Amino acid sequence: DIQMTQSPSSLSASVGDRVTITCQAGQDINNHLNWYQQKPGKAPNLLIYDISRLEPGVPSRFTGSGSGTEFTFTISSLQPEDIGTYYCQQFETLPITFGQGTRLEIK
Amino acid sequence: EVRLVESGGGLVQPGGSLRLSCAASGFTFSSYEMTWVRQAPGKGLEWLSYISTSSSTIYYADSVRGRFTTSRDNAKESQFLLMNSLRVEDTAVYYCARSESSGLGGRPEHFDVWGQGTRVTVSS
Repeated sequence: DIQMTQSPSSLSASVGDRVTITCQAGQDINNHLNWYQQKPGKAPNLLIYDISRLEPGVPSRFTGSGSGTEFTFTISSLQPEDIGTYYCQQFETLPITFGQGTRLEIK
Repeated sequence: EVRLVESGGGLVQPGGSLRLSCAASGFTFSSYEMTWVRQAPGKGLEWLSYISTSSSTIYYADSVRGRFTTSRDNAKESQFLLMNSLRVEDTAVYYCARSESSGLGGRPEHFDVWGQGTRVTVSS
């Protein structure tokens, strides 16, 4: 199984801050990476697929980048509604695996 | 409105069985591949299974292979997960999700529509 490691596991930032989450894959995943947001008590929500493609309806402050084994998710200007847990997910090989999540809080 | 609604969760004893259902609406169900993902209490996301549009291709995670069976009924616009030999560690919220592809499909890629989840508790 491909292990996906996110960092940090949690972070606290202020409204307006630039926030970055990294995701490291245990092997080259050929850019087959997605990002999800999960708000407390809710189902996950797809934000970015195929490294950097923004899901329709998702604000442009969310971006993704990276290649190979190192990937980055960025919120350019943190908004109060962005609180939640963020997960990366690889689909290079089965089984599909997710990162352990990054919990984002507002200071 | 594109929607997925799970049902069938509940409390079951270890070794028991449950059948989860996922009803789709607002899109052409037969044209989409589907998947199941679960989340144990306070834990992250775990992918469980994938089923192609015609049910010809099915994949499982090792943790459930041989115990869980996924299926679909395109006429009823529904996906199902039959869970046998349930274990305490299967306790989780189970999500049904639509699986989208940027390419030819035939395998799980990204999950763009999710249900609200149904809770399964395995306990004696």
